[in-house]
Amino acid sequence: GENVEQHPSTLSVQEGDSAVIKCTYSDSASNYFPWYKQELGKRPQLIIDIRSNVGEKKDQRIAVTLNKTAKHFSLHITETQPEDSAVYFCAAIFTGGGNKLTFGTGTQLKVEL
Amino acid sequence: DVKVTQSSRYLVKRTGEKVFLECVQDMDHENMFWYRQDPGLGLRLIYFSYDVKMKEKGDIPEGYSVSREKKERFSLILESASTNQTSMYLCASSFGSGGYEQFFGPGTRLTVL
Repeated sequence: GENVEQHPSTLSVQEGDSAVIKCTYSDSASNYFPWYKQELGKRPQLIIDIRSNVGEKKDQRIAVTLNKTAKHFSLHITETQPEDSAVYFCAAIFTGGGNKLTFGTGTQLKVEL
Repeated sequence: DVKVTQSSRYLVKRTGEKVFLECVQDMDHENMFWYRQDPGLGLRLIYFSYDVKMKEKGDIPEGYSVSREKKERFSLILESASTNQTSMYLCASSFGSGGYEQFFGPGTRLTVL
């Protein structure tokens, strides 16, 4: 069935280091892959997304890469800061799913001073 | 600025009670969604709606129903609450066809005793 797997479930990095979170998806026809950030006690918010006709997208310190052949996409955060500490969710739109997102299980990122 | 609100931040109910969770959005979005969020399980879709009086089952609809009588309002109903429905419930909305970004409400933490 439609599935998005996300790894790792927890990630701890030192401030200034890079963080990478990876997701794999099951439907090769998927065409939209967003990333949401949820800070403690707050609602999830979209931070970056990528469509299937693009291999990479950057926005300041964050970037998303997409490998359609391997059916995986990754979130890259460079020069991490304490405010990057949050839960990150990847998601995908599956064929025939309309606007329905299927989410990964989340990654708890902790940036340590 | 999109605003999605939920009727309660915290709710405590007893087993067997009928529970109503309300969600309202003020941006004339066609699509509305209900998720539950549990540690390690991510965001799981319960029900969604693409139009007034229209509803579709998500991945975990058992024990829940929904109502969408007006475009801006989407209600989640627990017909007979059970302890395994203790969770964080998140509502979201998005624009019509092609509007993939979902805007989330603040969530309702429901405890069923």
